[in-house]
Amino acid sequence: EDQVTQSPEALRLQEGESSSLNCSYTVSGLRGLFWYRQDPGKGPEFLFTLYSAGEEKEKERLKATLTKKESFLHITAPKPEDSATYLCAFSGNTGKLIFGQGTTLQVKP
Amino acid sequence: GAGVSQSPSNKVTEKGKDVELRCDPISGHTALYWYRQSLGQGLEFLIYFQGNSAPDKSGLPSDRFSAERTGGSVSTLTIQRTQQEDSAVYLCASSLDNTDTQYFGPGTRLTVL
Repeated sequence: EDQVTQSPEALRLQEGESSSLNCSYTVSGLRGLFWYRQDPGKGPEFLFTLYSAGEEKEKERLKATLTKKESFLHITAPKPEDSATYLCAFSGNTGKLIFGQGTTLQVKP
Repeated sequence: GAGVSQSPSNKVTEKGKDVELRCDPISGHTALYWYRQSLGQGLEFLIYFQGNSAPDKSGLPSDRFSAERTGGSVSTLTIQRTQQEDSAVYLCASSLDNTDTQYFGPGTRLTVL
């Protein structure tokens, strides 16, 4: 069964303290691995798409990487405004997204 | 440009009533998806439209749920005889086609009393 698991469920960091979020997946055919950010009361906001093992993408303090079994979202020197829930998803046969449960990040000043 | 819009933003209804939720996708996006986000359940796929047809309805939880899309644009998700377990945030997303990035709307928060 296709599934995606994110860890940790929650993460508290001090401002400037770098860390990584994990997304592990078991899928029959990966068409794309997506990272989204979701703020309370809002819809998910697109961050990255990764298609093949070894691929990396960066945006400001965020960097996403992909291996054959997992993806990492690295957060370098986070700021309080990076606090949000980060969602990982892979694309299924019809393009539908299968989501993990998310990691809720809190960055304290 | 304009993103995905959804209406209403909030809907409170009584158990047993029917509700309609609306999604306006990004102009030119042929693929449209509905998802549901419940506490403890995460984001779950409901239905996928390509143009006006729905080749994947596998996520609809019961026959009380239906959806349509007209003119290859606006979509309506209808829930008949609402139950308390239907309470959730209903999210709509659109993409250029079913291989492209999906962009989400702000969601409709449905509360069934």
